[in-house]
Amino acid sequence: EAGVTQFPSHSVIEKGQTVTLRCDPISGHDNLYWYRRVMGKEIKFLLHFVKESKQDESGMPNNRFLAERTGGTYSTLKVQPAELEDSGVYFCASSRSVAQEQFFGPGTRLTVL
Amino acid sequence: GDSVTQMEGPVTLSEEAFLTINCTYTATGYPSLFWYVQYPGEGLQLLLKATKADDKGSNKGFEATYRKETTSFHLEKGSVQVSDSAVYFCALSPNAGNNRKLIWGLGTSLAVNP
Repeated sequence: EAGVTQFPSHSVIEKGQTVTLRCDPISGHDNLYWYRRVMGKEIKFLLHFVKESKQDESGMPNNRFLAERTGGTYSTLKVQPAELEDSGVYFCASSRSVAQEQFFGPGTRLTVL
Repeated sequence: GDSVTQMEGPVTLSEEAFLTINCTYTATGYPSLFWYVQYPGEGLQLLLKATKADDKGSNKGFEATYRKETTSFHLEKGSVQVSDSAVYFCALSPNAGNNRKLIWGLGTSLAVNP
């Protein structure tokens, strides 16, 4: 069974540009989560999808972040326009149900210059 | 709100040394507690978990016991190996059985020298 995959593994952009991160969950996992780890700080929850619906987006920092999960399969997280403080590692995770283990992808390291 | 406090690293040990990484938590409900590990170049992996007080989670020689009286979930291993070098994260989910939103500690980097 393939694990959670994320693309790209690393992205370097300039302030003001747009970046789109992608996450492919494990097949059959209805629940998909995004987290972010800013350097020197703890991993923070961003949002949770159940299939294509946003169940909880309380962790999204501001309206420059837009997450989608059309069709309930893969998800994208767009940052537009990117700011310096958006730099960090963005993790995606998926689970079959909320009671079960979340499986994580390797993360996307975003650097905003 | 709920939070997790984890000892700061980095921790450097010699092979076969005893490992303890401290983790304490603050929670208003009945949380589940987790230890995740991130090996170099890989994603976060669940190492062990405990869902109620006095439960002991164990895996790969690592153990942690859910202590409600001290609100702690310290990670221990009796004899570390070079392959245990990684970053270890303590986390909680606020309500047992509902792991929607994990709350994390800062992570502790462990380096084991041969």
